Amino acid sequence: DAMVIQNPRYQVTQFGKPVTLSCSQTLNHNVMYWYQQKSSQAPKLLFHYYDKDFNNEADTPDNFQSRRPNTSFCFLDIRSPGLGDAAMYLCATSRFSGAGTDTQYFGPGTRLTVL
Amino acid sequence: DQQVKQNSPSLSVQEGRISILNCDYTNSMFDYFLWYKKYPAEGPTFLISISSIKDKNEDGRFTVFLNKSAKHLSLHIVPSQPGDSAVYFCAARNSGGSNYKLTFGKGTLLTVNP
Repeated sequence: DAMVIQNPRYQVTQFGKPVTLSCSQTLNHNVMYWYQQKSSQAPKLLFHYYDKDFNNEADTPDNFQSRRPNTSFCFLDIRSPGLGDAAMYLCATSRFSGAGTDTQYFGPGTRLTVL
Repeated sequence: DQQVKQNSPSLSVQEGRISILNCDYTNSMFDYFLWYKKYPAEGPTFLISISSIKDKNEDGRFTVFLNKSAKHLSLHIVPSQPGDSAVYFCAARNSGGSNYKLTFGKGTLLTVNP
């Protein structure tokens, strides 16, 4: 089955210790997204890639970076995690159609704990 | 500034009855709306969508209604089943702006009791 895979599902890191979350997809979609979702909050878009073009949301902290080495993989790097970065991180993909009706497909998420 | 609001954090209904989940938005530029369902420990899964040129879209037990003048949409599930118990997110997009960005509500936890 075509899908969006996130690893690891649970990640524990120490305050200030860099951490990388990974996402892969078998859907061959050209757009990949990273969302942050805190408890009882709406998923919040951090950034997205359209092919190799990186698009950062204006309010995404510099502490968050991303890499997309190829179509299938995308990484979220948190350079110096703070306690406030503890959240669920969701990866999503879509195929850009230009019609504005694209559906985003989500992975299961990575739950990040910062000690 | 929450542009998509789901004012009911939770909803409980009996199996077989109708579930109505509501969503309000403030950005008049939003023209495409989606509902996602999320089970615990899983990512959101797409359920149904509606374009602003329509006022109703139906898919099996799920119907989404859009009232543009009120900036309100609702998801109806008839009949509700215990397997429908999940968090439901409303999301909206401005297709004329960024074709990519979805703005989500905080979600409504639906519990369907047997």
